[in-house]
Amino acid sequence: DAGVIQSPRHEVTEMGQEVTLRCKPISGHDYLFWYRQTMMRGLELLIYFNNNVPIDDSGMPEDRFSAKMPNASFSTLKIQPSEPRDSAVYFCASARTGRNEKLFFGSGTQLSVL
Amino acid sequence: SQQGEEDPQALSIQEGENATMNCSYKTSINNLQWYRQNSGRGLVHLILIRSNEREKHSGRLRVTLDTSKKSSSLLITASRAADTASYFCATDLNAGNNRKLIWGLGTSLAVNP
Repeated sequence: DAGVIQSPRHEVTEMGQEVTLRCKPISGHDYLFWYRQTMMRGLELLIYFNNNVPIDDSGMPEDRFSAKMPNASFSTLKIQPSEPRDSAVYFCASARTGRNEKLFFGSGTQLSVL
Repeated sequence: SQQGEEDPQALSIQEGENATMNCSYKTSINNLQWYRQNSGRGLVHLILIRSNEREKHSGRLRVTLDTSKKSSSLLITASRAADTASYFCATDLNAGNNRKLIWGLGTSLAVNP
């Protein structure tokens, strides 16, 4: 099993530019989570999907952030326009149905907005 | 807001010693999970303990859960340099079908050879 795959691994962009982060969950997993990690705020859940449907997006900071899951094997997190305060590591994680199922994390995307 | 709070924030020990990290939480939970994060990597699941369990073992890991005190501890025995990482607890609230885990800020463990 290839695990959760995220791309790009690193992204450096200028303020105002659009940023798109990509995630391929583990095959057979029906939950997908987008997290953001910073030193100050730790790990924050942005949004999660179940069977490709967004369930809880209360963690999405503002309208500049959007996430989609067009099918069971692909999801995107888009920031438009990006700002320096968006600089963080963004993780995607997937899990199977069940209250006691663990999360499998990707390696993350290190985003730097200059 | 973060429900889980790990302590200590940082821990430095010698190889071979035991490392103990604690996690406190505020509301009732369905389960509590511990994850490890190596520098520059994603989080890796270590162990899950359900609310009706008090202790669980996995290799050199021992996790305890005290629901009356709303706290958990992770013990790593006979530590190795490879155990150097950040350790996070995450609580799964007893809230229907909500799969939103609440994360602590982590304990940074350094195991010195």
